[in-house]
Amino acid sequence: GENVEQHPSTLSVQEGDSAVIKCTYSDSASNYFPWYKQELGKRPQLIIDIRSNVGEKKDQRIAVTLNKTAKHFSLHITETQPEDSAVYFCAASIEYGNKLVFGAGTILRVKS
Amino acid sequence: EAQVTQNPRYLITVTGKKLTVTCSQNMNHEYMSWYRQDPGLGLRQIYYSMNVEVTDKGDVPEGYKVSRKEKRNFPLILESPSPNQTSLYFCASSFTSGKIDNEQFFGPGTRLTVL
Repeated sequence: GENVEQHPSTLSVQEGDSAVIKCTYSDSASNYFPWYKQELGKRPQLIIDIRSNVGEKKDQRIAVTLNKTAKHFSLHITETQPEDSAVYFCAASIEYGNKLVFGAGTILRVKS
Repeated sequence: EAQVTQNPRYLITVTGKKLTVTCSQNMNHEYMSWYRQDPGLGLRQIYYSMNVEVTDKGDVPEGYKVSRKEKRNFPLILESPSPNQTSLYFCASSFTSGKIDNEQFFGPGTRLTVL
């Protein structure tokens, strides 16, 4: 089955700097790659997603890139702010959103 | 308000005492799923359901049961809970694949402690 690895497990950045979180997946049939943000004590919430027919997607300070050949995708957050501090999960699915397999998560700390 | 609800939010129980965690969604989603979240392991799928009366095992189904008798409800049943089932549980729902919007919406979580 699908396996998703996520790095780093923790990331500390200074406010205003950029943060990059990377994930690799094993199943070349995966076609949907969402990123979820989970604030302390809250539920995971979708922040951005990308489908396999797209190489990059942006939404304000957040962008995701996908390299299907290498089977990896990354989350880029620019101009980080303290409210970006949270746990971020990547995921992959071979059914366009169903049967999500999640990475282990990255704890992002933005220091002000 | 479109949402996924779970009850109870917190539960402390003892080994072997059967319990049910309810999950309900009001978005007319076909797909529903249960995850458990443990430190360093991310979110692991327990069971999922593609539609009413259709359920299937996820990656960690041992010790759990589910049912899907109505579209909006997807209860998680622990027939004989054990301490290794102490975890944070999330229910999620979405439209099935093929639809434009496949975002999975998560419930608020249920913190379960089995003594």
